[in-house]
This record gives sequence, C-alpha cells and structure tokens, in this order.
Amino acid sequence: DVKVTQSSRYLVKRTGEKVFLECVQDMDHENMFWYRQDPGLGLRLIYFSYDVKMKEKGDIPEGYSVSREKKERFSLILESASTNQTSMYLCASSPWRDSNEKLFFGSGTQLSVL
Amino acid sequence: EDKVVQSPLSLVVHEGDTVTLNCSYEVTNFRSLLWYKQEKKAPTFLFMLTSSGIEKKSGRLSSILDKKELFSILNITATQTGDSAVYLCAAPGAGSYQLTFGKGTKLSVIP
Repeated sequence: DVKVTQSSRYLVKRTGEKVFLECVQDMDHENMFWYRQDPGLGLRLIYFSYDVKMKEKGDIPEGYSVSREKKERFSLILESASTNQTSMYLCASSPWRDSNEKLFFGSGTQLSVL
Repeated sequence: EDKVVQSPLSLVVHEGDTVTLNCSYEVTNFRSLLWYKQEKKAPTFLFMLTSSGIEKKSGRLSSILDKKELFSILNITATQTGDSAVYLCAAPGAGSYQLTFGKGTKLSVIP
C-alpha cells in the first residue's frame, strides 16, 4: 500500500515562528501536493511539485514556500506563521507525471498558530 | 475558473437508509471526476469516473457520471454508522496538475 506520512498530527506554534511541515511518500511518485482544509472552504491547493527541485504555485501560495530536494520528501514552510494559517494541512502524492488523478493523502497535520 | 459544487453540505440519516450525494462541475477540458471519503483525517479514494452512464460499484457504494448534464452522484445503500464521513468530489483542471475539490458533504448515520 502507498504510504504518505506527515511528520506531525498536531502542532502548536506562536505567531511569527518559522514552521516546517514534512511529508514523505514511499512509492516513488513524481507528483506531490500540499493542501489546506478549512471548514466551509474545502480543500485548497497551496503548492505542488512534479519533480525534484520543481515547484508550482497553487491557488493560495501567499505566506508559504516549499522545498523538494528529494523525490520522496516535500516540505511546506511557513516563513512567519500567522493566526490565519491555523488549519488542517494535507499532503498528497500521485504516481504519474502527466496526470494527477487518484491522489494518495497523508493523515494531515492540524496546525494551531497562537 | 473551474468549479465543483456538492450538495447537500450535510445530511443526517438512520442506519439502513439509502442516500444520494450530488456533485456538479464546470471544468475546462473535462477528463475525470473523483470521489473520496474522509473519515478522520486522510481522504481515501473511492471512485474515478471518466465515461458517462457507466456505473462504478464497490459494495454498497456506487457512482455514475453524466457528462451531458455535468454532474455525478454517489449512492450508498443500507447505510451503516461506519459510513459517517465527509464525502469529497474533485476534478482535475485542463492540462493542469490541480484537483479542484468541492466543499464536501458531511454524512452522519445514526443508529
């Protein structure tokens, strides 16, 4: 079975802190994604990557950056956390270069910024 | 702009009931529509539909796509408390890697 692992289930940070959310997948997938999920807004794409060192902005990239130094790992970085970044963050991967159907999701990280 | 709209947003039923969840879409160069189930945290894949009128089934769950009317339905028969979850509908945009998700339908099945 494909496994997408997010390093933390729950995280509490203070405003202004730099926050790293880590995601690792074990199936050699080319595509990796970071979404945030908020009540009433659904899942919104922050950033995605279709190859090592490649990244593309999603719908809501402001306040975030990403890093993909190795194929299996995709990190989301909050340079200076703010309270409006309190959310559930979901990482996902998919196996085909030219298609992103059938995403495999991690269990999510609930981030609270105080 | 691609759009996926789900209805209802929430639903409460009794065990044994049959439910129908709706998903309408407006997507450039439509390729597929996907359904996911989200119980606690990680959405899990249910179905991918690409052809109109062909029903996909998995146990008590089934789904069908209507490409003319731009919608899909997810049916759950003989519901159980374990079906309680948020059901998400999504579609990829034209030539892009992005899945556009609907807001989800929260299904609660009470004994």
